[in-house]
Amino acid sequence: AQSVTQLDSQVPVFEEAPVELRCNYSSSVSVYLFWYVQYPNQGLQLLLKYLSGSTLVKGINGFEAEFNKSQTSFHLRKPSVHISDTAEYFCAVSEKAGGSNYKLTFGKGTLLTVNP
Amino acid sequence: DAGVTQSPTHLIKTRGQHVTLRCSPISGHKSVSWYQQVLGQGPQFIFQYYEKEERGRGNFPDRFSARQFPNYSSELNVNALLLGDSALYLCASSFWGYTEAFFGQGTRLTVV
Repeated sequence: AQSVTQLDSQVPVFEEAPVELRCNYSSSVSVYLFWYVQYPNQGLQLLLKYLSGSTLVKGINGFEAEFNKSQTSFHLRKPSVHISDTAEYFCAVSEKAGGSNYKLTFGKGTLLTVNP
Repeated sequence: DAGVTQSPTHLIKTRGQHVTLRCSPISGHKSVSWYQQVLGQGPQFIFQYYEKEERGRGNFPDRFSARQFPNYSSELNVNALLLGDSALYLCASSFWGYTEAFFGQGTRLTVV
């Protein structure tokens, strides 16, 4: 079974500073990786995904992530954060749950707090 | 277009009671999955349904059950509620065989 480790439970940064949220996963033959964002009292919104191809993936709201197979990592980055980026961020890996379907295995989340 | 909708948004139940949570997938999506998110943790996979059949099950006790209807909507049922069942229950829908899932806003269940 897959596993996901988010190395930081909380990341405080100042507005307009760069940020990196770290994610490592257990290795597998085929890896599909995702970052989701969860605002308070909300569901999960997909930020970006890696399915295949270019290892640098761009998502919504100026976020990007780099898939590194040798280091089994999928770190999320943003060059300049805004107050509105304050939220919980979850890294997830997709694996087969039986037949042709997939299930997501999530990390424990990283709380990004952007301070003025 | 409507996203994944879940009802109710919040509810409070007493230990030992039963609860039913509902989910309507995005139009065209035939696969529905359920996840439990305990406070301070990432979501954990409970069930996946496709064409009214269970296609995947996580490590949850038999008190948890689900079903999918001909219109692809789904219900999650939990019997004999425990305090530890207090969580945000998330429903996700997807096309069958696709890895990308779209989540609803969740149902916040509090067991007292």
